[in-house]
Amino acid sequence: DTAVSQTPKYLVTQMGNDKSIKCEQNLGHDTMYWYKQDSKKFLKIMFSYNNKELIINETVPNRFSPKSPDKAHLNLHINSLELGDSAVYFCASSPRLQGASGANVLTFGAGSRLTVL
Amino acid sequence: AQSVTQLDSHVSVSEGTPVLLRCNYSSSYSPSLFWYVQHPNKGLQLLLKYTSAATLVKGINGFEAEFKKSETSFHLTKPSAHMSDAAEYFCVVGLWTGGGNKLTFGTGTQLKVEL
Repeated sequence: DTAVSQTPKYLVTQMGNDKSIKCEQNLGHDTMYWYKQDSKKFLKIMFSYNNKELIINETVPNRFSPKSPDKAHLNLHINSLELGDSAVYFCASSPRLQGASGANVLTFGAGSRLTVL
Repeated sequence: AQSVTQLDSHVSVSEGTPVLLRCNYSSSYSPSLFWYVQHPNKGLQLLLKYTSAATLVKGINGFEAEFKKSETSFHLTKPSAHMSDAAEYFCVVGLWTGGGNKLTFGTGTQLKVEL
């Protein structure tokens, strides 16, 4: 049983289109994340949700809109796609916030490779 | 603010020889430190985690890392490399910000294992 699953795994689309990537976790975690990995394999956090509430929103264009219908799902919708949006997008989840005892371990999905032509 | 620097973008070793992947971190607070591995076209898998307990941390697949506060380092080692270890390795510093967990990734080290 896949712990963090993302769909689609590959997505090829034209500039200007709108697309969504879905993410689901069956680990019972309260916190979910979206990370972007660029062509040089650099990973950067985009968003974090805790129990459907947005808690981290890095400097991401507002064309990117995360949506969390429940704590097991965090979808990423992207409007007006640009060439620079081409990347691998990783969804992740972690147990509930721990506080000062340290950052949590994240469980990652297999990634969704988005190619914008 | 926190950051992590992986000193080598590529490391090449022969099968059966030791592996050393270097990582230095910077953090305003006591950090949590992780090593993740990414095999080609796969997601990221946790190798090991340090959170202020023992400074020598053992992970999966024979990997371990030592936290050295005086050197702000968290190097990853393995006594004997295996072909299946070839992958991209990420050193990560984590912080609970009060608003959520925030992981800052290094730029990665690609490990190549040769026969």
